[in-house]
Amino acid sequence: DIQMTQSPSSLSASVGDRVTITCRASQGISNYLAWYQQKPGKVPKVLIYAASTLQSGVPSRFSGSGSGTDFTLTISRLQPEDVATYYCQKYNSALLTFGGGTKVEIK
Amino acid sequence: EVQLLESGGGLVQPGGSLRLSCAASGFMFSNYAMSWVRQAPGKGLEWVSGISGSGGTTYYADSVKGRFTISRDNSKNTLYLQMNTLRAEDTAVYYCAKVPWELVLAFFDYWGQGTLVTVSS
Repeated sequence: DIQMTQSPSSLSASVGDRVTITCRASQGISNYLAWYQQKPGKVPKVLIYAASTLQSGVPSRFSGSGSGTDFTLTISRLQPEDVATYYCQKYNSALLTFGGGTKVEIK
Repeated sequence: EVQLLESGGGLVQPGGSLRLSCAASGFMFSNYAMSWVRQAPGKGLEWVSGISGSGGTTYYADSVKGRFTISRDNSKNTLYLQMNTLRAEDTAVYYCAKVPWELVLAFFDYWGQGTLVTVSS
């Protein structure tokens, strides 16, 4: 089974900072990767799919990149409303595995 | 507007059974695959099972294979998850999630609000 490893597990950054979250697959998954944001007490929301395609309605400060085994989610200028846990998810094969999550807080 | 409304959660003893339902509206239900995703208290997301739009293809996580059965009734726009031989580690909020096309292998563009399943004696 392909494992999805996110890093860091948590981070604290200042408003306006550039934030980067990494997701690594244990085997190549092409670009079959999505990123989700889950705010405290809320339902997950898709931000990015196909590794770099921004879902409709998602602010342009969010971007995704990568292919194969290494992927990144970048928040170009962190905003207070971006406090959340972020998950990656692979969908290249039958086990639709999520990463362990990255909790983002404001410093 | 896409709406997904789960029901059927509750408290069940270890070894017991429960059936979850997800009533869908706002889209052509039979044209889209669906999945169940769960989240244990304070933990991350875990995909549980998925089913194609026609219902002809199903997938399961190893942790539930042989115990859970996913199904759908396209005439009623409803997704189901039959959960048998429940264990304490199945305790979680169970989300119904829609896929943006007919095939299961995809991301999730809409989520329900979730229903809590607690397995405890």
